[in-house]
Amino acid sequence: DVKVTQSSRYLVKRTGEKVFLECVQDMDHENMFWYRQDPGLGLRLIYFSYDVKMKEKGDIPEGYSVSREKKERFSLILESASTNQTSMYLCASSPGQGRTEAFFGQGTRLTVV
Amino acid sequence: GENVEQHPSTLSVQEGDSAVIKCTYSDSASNYFPWYKQELGKRPQLIIDIRSNVGEKKDQRIAVTLNKTAKHFSLHITETQPEDSAVYFCAASRSGGSYIPTFGRGTSLIVHP
Repeated sequence: DVKVTQSSRYLVKRTGEKVFLECVQDMDHENMFWYRQDPGLGLRLIYFSYDVKMKEKGDIPEGYSVSREKKERFSLILESASTNQTSMYLCASSPGQGRTEAFFGQGTRLTVV
Repeated sequence: GENVEQHPSTLSVQEGDSAVIKCTYSDSASNYFPWYKQELGKRPQLIIDIRSNVGEKKDQRIAVTLNKTAKHFSLHITETQPEDSAVYFCAASRSGGSYIPTFGRGTSLIVHP
């Protein structure tokens, strides 16, 4: 069973704080992604990574950065949290190399106050 | 980049009825079309997918159809049951893009007993 684990289920942070969301997958997947889920807007891609130390911007990268120092771990960083970053954040991974199913973490509900 | 439109945003049916959710995509190079189901408070999970070399795929009560010429694909659920109630997301991706999925905005399906 593929397991994608996000470090926190719920987080409350203050405006201006630097926030780290951590994601770990245990299936040696090449690809990892961070999505943001908001009601009525679906899943929007923030960043993805197809290899260690490789990253690509998604559709809404502003205000975020990422880090992938090890294959199994992909971190999302909010450099200076703002209230409009209050959202559900979903990490996902997929095998790559022509294998296509994405496996999601349980999500982190971030509230910025 | 890819743009995926999904309709309707909400669908309410009686138990036993059929439900149809439709998606259109913009990138003619897209060749993989998964559907994810997200139950309340849970992570999205793949329920069925289709590749561009087939027009239809069925798995028990669910089926997906693809029209490459018109660039649209649909999810069909027959004999709906209350446990089918969830948010359904369509997505499109392509091999040249590492199969990173672009999602529609989601359809909230409510099945009334």
